[in-house]
Amino acid sequence: GAVVSQHPSRVICKSGTSVKIECRSLDFQATTMFWYRQFPKQSLMLMATSNEGSKATYEQGVEKDKFLINHASLTLSTLTVTSAHPEDSSFYICSGVQGARNQPQHFGDGTRLSIL
Amino acid sequence: QQPVQSPQAVILREGEDAVINCSSSKALYSVHWYRQKHGEAPVFLMILLKGGEQKGHEKISASFNEKKQQSSLYLTASQLSYSGTYFCGTEYRNQGGKLIFGQGTELSVKP
Repeated sequence: GAVVSQHPSRVICKSGTSVKIECRSLDFQATTMFWYRQFPKQSLMLMATSNEGSKATYEQGVEKDKFLINHASLTLSTLTVTSAHPEDSSFYICSGVQGARNQPQHFGDGTRLSIL
Repeated sequence: QQPVQSPQAVILREGEDAVINCSSSKALYSVHWYRQKHGEAPVFLMILLKGGEQKGHEKISASFNEKKQQSSLYLTASQLSYSGTYFCGTEYRNQGGKLIFGQGTELSVKP
C-alpha cells in the first residue's frame, strides 16, 4: 500500500520551456505533499509543502513564481517549472503523507529534468 | 538546521554489521529513516518518536536517545540488498510534518 506515482520520469527540453510534473497518491489520500530537489550524491532538499486546497508554503530561497505548485485534490499535486533554464536541471521528487503527523512520507519515483 | 549523519560512507562484507548515526543540535519531535537506491525513490524504514525508544527487528533497528537529539540505525548481518544511501529525516515541533534530511550515508555491501 501507500503508493505515490510521479510522472514523467524523465524530461529533456529546451531552455525557456515550462515543464509540469504530476504526483498522485494512488491508494491513500495525501493531506500533505512535499516537493524536493536532489542533486547527484546529495541530500533531499525541501522546496515546498502543499496542502490540499491551500497555497503552497515555499522554503527560503525557492522562487514561488518559478516553481508553481498546485494541490487541487487529496490525490494530486503538480509542480510546474516555468521558463526552465539549465540550472534548473535536477532530480525532482514528491512525497505524500496521509492524515495526522507521525506518519511516514511515501515518495514518488522522481523526475529527472534536463534542460538543454 | 540540517542533521549531521556519520559516517558519510561505509563498505561492508556480507554478514558484517554497521551503525549509522544522526545528530541534531536541538531536540527533535521525531526522526525518520529512509533508504534510497541509485535513481530510485527513498523507501521508508521506520519512525521514532519517543526519547529512549528502540524499534525495528533483528536485522534493521533504530534507537532514539533520551534527549531526542541523536538517533542510530543498526544494520545487522548485512545483505547485498542493504546497499544504498541511508537518510535520516528530522522533524521539529510545530513544523507541520516537514522533514529536514541529513546528507546521507552511502552503504555498500560486497559479497
